[in-house]
Amino acid sequence: DTGVSQNPRHKITKRGQNVTFRCDPISEHNRLYWYRQTLGQGPEFLTYFQNEAQLEKSRLLSDRFSAERPKGSFSTLEIQRTEQGDSAMYLCASSLIGSEKLFFGSGTQLSVL
Amino acid sequence: QKEVEQNSGPLSVPEGAIASLNCTYSDRVSQSFFWYRQYSGKSPELIMSIYSNGDKEDGRFTAQLNKASQYVSLLIRDSQPSDSATYLCAVIDPRGGGADGLTFGKGTHLIIQP
Repeated sequence: DTGVSQNPRHKITKRGQNVTFRCDPISEHNRLYWYRQTLGQGPEFLTYFQNEAQLEKSRLLSDRFSAERPKGSFSTLEIQRTEQGDSAMYLCASSLIGSEKLFFGSGTQLSVL
Repeated sequence: QKEVEQNSGPLSVPEGAIASLNCTYSDRVSQSFFWYRQYSGKSPELIMSIYSNGDKEDGRFTAQLNKASQYVSLLIRDSQPSDSATYLCAVIDPRGGGADGLTFGKGTHLIIQP
């Protein structure tokens, strides 16, 4: 499978716990994006990497959210001290530099109890 | 703040008819426009992109762009039940160099009635 891969597909956690999601982009893609999507809404941009550099992070929802892409390949999104309002689908997308076409992974559905 | 507006629907269309989906955007600088299809519980899938005023056709899909009116639409001809999904309109701001990613509308839920 050469598409964008996200793990886990589903995550159920208790309020206050930390969670981490992983995204493996399409192998030749050097741009990687994280989005959040809640029910009835379109995806909401969170952050963006070009290779290993995080070029935009001001749209992360709070300081409880952080993302890394240490070697310019896979990326992780961490949410600390989860709240019920964090329940959503977290989507990862990748693209080539110079291309505006984003390819999305299947997402991680987070439920905070 | 860039905004992309779509009627959330549901839009119900009989099988075989033309489905017309509409989108307006607030930022005149926007240059690139995309339509994504999203099935329930699945991720968005790119189906059309359009950059110039006028029509762009790809199979049963036609995207239409009018930058003066800040309006973009998607027509689906010969609608099939498998076209039932949420259609997301998205724009990108070229000034951000890709850093802003895509700005999405809320999506229009399309139902094709057999």
